[in-house]
Amino acid sequence: DQQVKQNSPSLSVQEGRISILNCDYTNSMFDYFLWYKKYPAEGPTFLISISSIKDKNEDGRFTVFLNKSAKHLSLHIVPSQPGDSAVYFCAASSNTGNQFYFGTGTSLTVIP
Amino acid sequence: DGGITQSPKYLFRKEGQNVTLSCEQNLNHDAMYWYRQDPGQGLRLIYYSQIVNDFQKGDIAEGYSVSREKKESFPLTVTSAQKNPTAFYLCASRGQGARDEQFFGPGTRLTVL
Repeated sequence: DQQVKQNSPSLSVQEGRISILNCDYTNSMFDYFLWYKKYPAEGPTFLISISSIKDKNEDGRFTVFLNKSAKHLSLHIVPSQPGDSAVYFCAASSNTGNQFYFGTGTSLTVIP
Repeated sequence: DGGITQSPKYLFRKEGQNVTLSCEQNLNHDAMYWYRQDPGQGLRLIYYSQIVNDFQKGDIAEGYSVSREKKESFPLTVTSAQKNPTAFYLCASRGQGARDEQFFGPGTRLTVL
């Protein structure tokens, strides 16, 4: 049973515009959320995270929003750049466990 | 240069053969993980280890085995019992902090012919 879901397999955005990637989760025990970026045939690299005590975390062009009541988080990239083209995974964990649960990923293409 | 190495990058094996994938880290991390990635299925946890000589099954452990004899090393053996072994395998490690992220290796693409 998928506890972390990314319902959009792919997304295309024009360079300079905003990219919004969405993620939903079902386990109310999750209290820490991360976004990873992955290029083909490489390992994922950590992008940004957010704790459940916050509803927003910003790092440069990347902002993650958390809506706990809706069990939903989103990653905003603005402005989008061609180098942002990659697969983005969201992940979640709880402070009682040592596992991270990953979504299925969203493939972002930024069109020059 | 701290990081995680996985070798080889590509691996081919005949059906029915066991194969061992290497994962080494010099980040001094206690926890290490093995994931499998298949198209459209994200990352699924195979095994993880929080300390030397101890490991736990993940969601899809059947047909796999691991060992953790050294802190730096966490090899994964794909046995002949694994029904669909062809996949991209990722190793990760993590520090002790409750909010530490995982660091991933470059992955090994295993193809069973």
